[in-house]
Amino acid sequence: DAKTTQPPSMDCAEGRAANLPCNHSTISGNEYVYWYRQIHSQGPQYIIHGLKNNETNEMASLIITEDRKSSTLILPHATLRDTAVYYCIVRVGGSQGNLIFGKGTKLSVKP
Amino acid sequence: DTGVSQDPRHKITKRGQNVTFRCDPISEHNRLYWYRQTLGQGPEFLTYFQNEAQLEKSRLLSDRFSAERPKGSFSTLEIQRTEQGDSAMYLCASSLDGGPLYEQYFGPGTRLTVT
Repeated sequence: DAKTTQPPSMDCAEGRAANLPCNHSTISGNEYVYWYRQIHSQGPQYIIHGLKNNETNEMASLIITEDRKSSTLILPHATLRDTAVYYCIVRVGGSQGNLIFGKGTKLSVKP
Repeated sequence: DTGVSQDPRHKITKRGQNVTFRCDPISEHNRLYWYRQTLGQGPEFLTYFQNEAQLEKSRLLSDRFSAERPKGSFSTLEIQRTEQGDSAMYLCASSLDGGPLYEQYFGPGTRLTVT
């Protein structure tokens, strides 16, 4: 029972903004939205998280809709090194926060 | 580099053999997680430690799997009598108690191939 829906793949031109959507229509009021990415042959890397408000850090911006049913991760100036699988996570398991990953979006940044 | 490290990075073994993987978390992190990832899928949770205590285990962790974290520092994951279905990437992650609960730092993984 997936709690998130992401497109399986997206392309983006180098230097342009990459906008990765995520639908989470059944999100609960106290569930955060987390984004991780996984570059080929590496472990996942935390990017950003948010609850209601938009968030920005040195890596990306996270835009969450007012009804919290969807969000968009924005990489403002994508580089070739941003080519990776991006995971949107709203579900965590157990009492200690083990992450529940879906299949993510494979972002390919092209020159 | 003071990130999470895992050893070995690659392991090829024959069916029926035992294997052991090691994870060294970030030094001040007291939470440690093990995940398994098969091709084309996202990582799946296996087990969790807080300090030396193993507090949670997934149903994916069959009786052939055992994990330890002696003294709350490094952790080991052992698979006994390996099967071809155990072929996967085994990922370790750590996080800081009191920090953002879901901001986990992952190691590079150990890729296991069972022939």
